Amino acid sequence: NAGVMQNPRHLVRRRGQEARLRCSPMKGHSHVYWYRQLPEEGLKFMVYLQKENIIDESGMPKERFSAEFPKEGPSILRIQQVVRGDSAAYFCASSQDEGSYEQYFGPGTRLTVT
Amino acid sequence: GESVGLHLPTLSVQEGDNSIINCAYSNSASDYFIWYKQESGKGPQFIIDIRSNMDKRQGQRVTVLLNKTVKHLSLQIAATQPGDSAVYFCAELNDYKLSFGAGTTVTVRA
Repeated sequence: NAGVMQNPRHLVRRRGQEARLRCSPMKGHSHVYWYRQLPEEGLKFMVYLQKENIIDESGMPKERFSAEFPKEGPSILRIQQVVRGDSAAYFCASSQDEGSYEQYFGPGTRLTVT
Repeated sequence: GESVGLHLPTLSVQEGDNSIINCAYSNSASDYFIWYKQESGKGPQFIIDIRSNMDKRQGQRVTVLLNKTVKHLSLQIAATQPGDSAVYFCAELNDYKLSFGAGTTVTVRA
């Protein structure tokens, strides 16, 4: 009964490189949410996806960031041309139902940009 | 700006004592609140929730109080244990978006 899985757990990128973060939701969950946590802060909503659809990306920067949740495979958060300010922990959560308060979080990916 | 926040960034408590963690929110339209616990290197873990039509809810060793008049939430942990050491966040849910405060770091002294 695996929970939400994220990989890699730690990712180091040089400025200008691309970062790809993966999230596999809990079994039976078709709703995925991405959050970002800067040091010493709470999590901030980035994007909400259902299979093959972006429902709300209002929390995601307009440039360099994109997210997808294909019919098959994990959800991907992609950051192009990373900058030092992108260094943060990125958490994925999943739920079974639309707009559910029962969002289960993964362990996060800690991105460090050097 | 932030819609949810915590009063104190750190709390040190003696093992066996009760802990009280406070949180203020500004969105009076929010109708669902959740407390999360985050241990080092892990994702947030659900502790307890409360709807706006309630003022108190109890779980195992935890109690959440909601005061809508002053827009204040608190989490009480009874008989605090070393395993309770973590960062605690309150969050409010609007539609599907969780809005988190900055967190309170609880350290339990042996």
